[in-house]
Amino acid sequence: KAGVTQTPRYLIKTRGQQVTLSCSPISGHRSVSWYQQTPGQGLQFLFEYFSETQRNKGNFPGRFSGRQFSNSRSEMNVSTLELGDSALYLCASSLEPGAWETQYFGPGTRLLVL
Amino acid sequence: AQSVSQHNHHVILSEAASLELGCNYSYGGTVNLFWYVQYPGQHLQLLLKYFSGDPLVKGIKGFEAEFIKSKFSFNLRKPSVQWSDTAEYFCAVISLLNAGNMLTFGGGTRLMVKP
Repeated sequence: KAGVTQTPRYLIKTRGQQVTLSCSPISGHRSVSWYQQTPGQGLQFLFEYFSETQRNKGNFPGRFSGRQFSNSRSEMNVSTLELGDSALYLCASSLEPGAWETQYFGPGTRLLVL
Repeated sequence: AQSVSQHNHHVILSEAASLELGCNYSYGGTVNLFWYVQYPGQHLQLLLKYFSGDPLVKGIKGFEAEFIKSKFSFNLRKPSVQWSDTAEYFCAVISLLNAGNMLTFGGGTRLMVKP
């Protein structure tokens, strides 16, 4: 069965712009989580969605937002981009919230902000 | 705030050497513990997990980890590494004390195995 897919895989933006990243979970998975991965900070949790509702949010500014659609696909948006937003953004899906043993990660979207 | 520490940021070993990567977490109560691995150019994938029971857990590719509750540690071990183990390894912890807690990752350890 197909894994978690993320689009686009690479993105270059300039400061002040906004960006939207997309994640399609594994078929049957209804929970989607987003993480930011940087060399200095490792993986940091952004938010988790289930049934089109945000269940949990990490310690990120309001410029970071997300949503989930009825087919469980999710998008995250970053507005007013800053240089420090350059990172690998990972999406992970699981059957349901808290089912960590069923969590699978996508390949990530690498965002470079110039 | 809960935190996870991986003290070794970079480790270089020769093939057949033994490996131990440290992981410590900062909060008490019942926890679920994980080790993830990210091979070059590949997705992050689950290596092993501990939920309850025997504190020595075995994962894929000959890896194992031991949960020592008194030391708040969950160190990853492998008796004999191979060149193909070159990857970045992440420890992750979730506290079950409160509902809605998030999976917290350590900063990662980059392992390079020299052939």
